[in-house]
Amino acid sequence: KQEVTQIPAALSVPEGENLVLNCSFTDSAIYNLQWFRQDPGKGLTSLLLIQSSQREQTSGRLNASLDKSSGRSTLYIAASQPGDSATYLCASTWAGGTSYGKLTFGQGTILTVHP
Amino acid sequence: GAVVSQHPSRVICKSGTSVKIECRSLDFQATTMFWYRQFPKQSLMLMATSNEGSKATYEQGVEKDKFLINHASLTLSTLTVTSAHPEDSSFYICSQWVVAGSNEQFFGPGTRLTVL
Repeated sequence: KQEVTQIPAALSVPEGENLVLNCSFTDSAIYNLQWFRQDPGKGLTSLLLIQSSQREQTSGRLNASLDKSSGRSTLYIAASQPGDSATYLCASTWAGGTSYGKLTFGQGTILTVHP
Repeated sequence: GAVVSQHPSRVICKSGTSVKIECRSLDFQATTMFWYRQFPKQSLMLMATSNEGSKATYEQGVEKDKFLINHASLTLSTLTVTSAHPEDSSFYICSQWVVAGSNEQFFGPGTRLTVL
């Protein structure tokens, strides 16, 4: 069974700190991996998408890495700001069969950045 | 990225009634959309895959007769919760799968369903 796990479940940091969120997956044959942000009561905003052939993606203060051999992805947030406070979700898709295109989500990391 | 809208954003209904939720792709033709459900303080769980012009594919444990999905056009998929009960209260989110190019998924803003 393909599973995605995120640690920590919650993280509280002071403003300005650099931080890392972790995501692990059980099946290394992923098709791609996406990181999302979800604000309370809202839908999901796509942050970064990493294809299986890529090692990392960057957007502004965000950098996501992918290591298929170890089944891990990390989301690095530089110089965190209070506006970064949200739940961060990672999700993977696996190719082939009935899994194609379906996203499996981790449980999420609730990030709080305090001034 | 692709823009996806959902309507309504919030609905409160009495137990036993049916509720229809619309998911629209505003700037892209979507042959495949996905419907997810999210209970409080939990992550998203895939309910079904909505395929334009054909029957939806449901995940294990999701009742297809209770959660009716219709994908009549390339820009509209609907989820109808039939005979809703309080345990159906949840946050329902659809996503559009951009198969060409990035294979990225873009999500709607979600619909909060509360069944009294």
